[in-house]
Amino acid sequence: DSGVTQTPKHLITATGQRVTLRCSPRSGDLSVYWYQQSLDQGLQFLIQYYNGEERAKGNILERFSAQQFPDLHSELNLSSLELGDSALYFCASGPDSYNEQFFGPGTRLTVL
Amino acid sequence: DQQVKQNSPSLSVQEGRISILNCDYTNSMFDYFLWYKKYPAEGPTFLISISSIKDKNEDGRFTVFLNKSAKHLSLHIVPSQPGDSAVYFCAASAKGRRALTFGSGTRLQVQP
Repeated sequence: DSGVTQTPKHLITATGQRVTLRCSPRSGDLSVYWYQQSLDQGLQFLIQYYNGEERAKGNILERFSAQQFPDLHSELNLSSLELGDSALYFCASGPDSYNEQFFGPGTRLTVL
Repeated sequence: DQQVKQNSPSLSVQEGRISILNCDYTNSMFDYFLWYKKYPAEGPTFLISISSIKDKNEDGRFTVFLNKSAKHLSLHIVPSQPGDSAVYFCAASAKGRRALTFGSGTRLQVQP
């Protein structure tokens, strides 16, 4: 158990809809990262938050947004969903002084 | 453009033998490299890492080798055990950034 929790585990929705994925980092970690894994590919970095502020952006679509709250949990919002957004979404956290990141179990999103 | 490449999608070895997983990278700004193991329906689990100032790092049965001139790293598992059967991802981060760039993974099967 990495100490990172993600909810929900599975999500099935329709095209055009909006969903919110939630992540709670390990105790003491200020950084939260979001990654997308499509079709057994490698993980693609989406966005990083550090102590409530956006720190880095990767290949995140404009339809996607994220935020980190004062209690350090983070939410990833996906809107105007398309079939191609079906993927595993992972959240990771880590101490800022180390490069290692610890991953949650992921949310499997299926867009029908 | 894939900056981290794992050219072998799969590898099969006998229990007790050595498993060697390879990874190549193209971005000269990468200065920290990590290996993750992933079981189905779980998030990636951190295994071992290496900084670009080193060429080898060991942790129990796992050793990572880094050849900076060739932009190549490898993970050695000795001896391999059936419980090592999983998908292994190589990842890298660049100076001043914590976001990870992942390879597409190698599925390792250790035969009893």
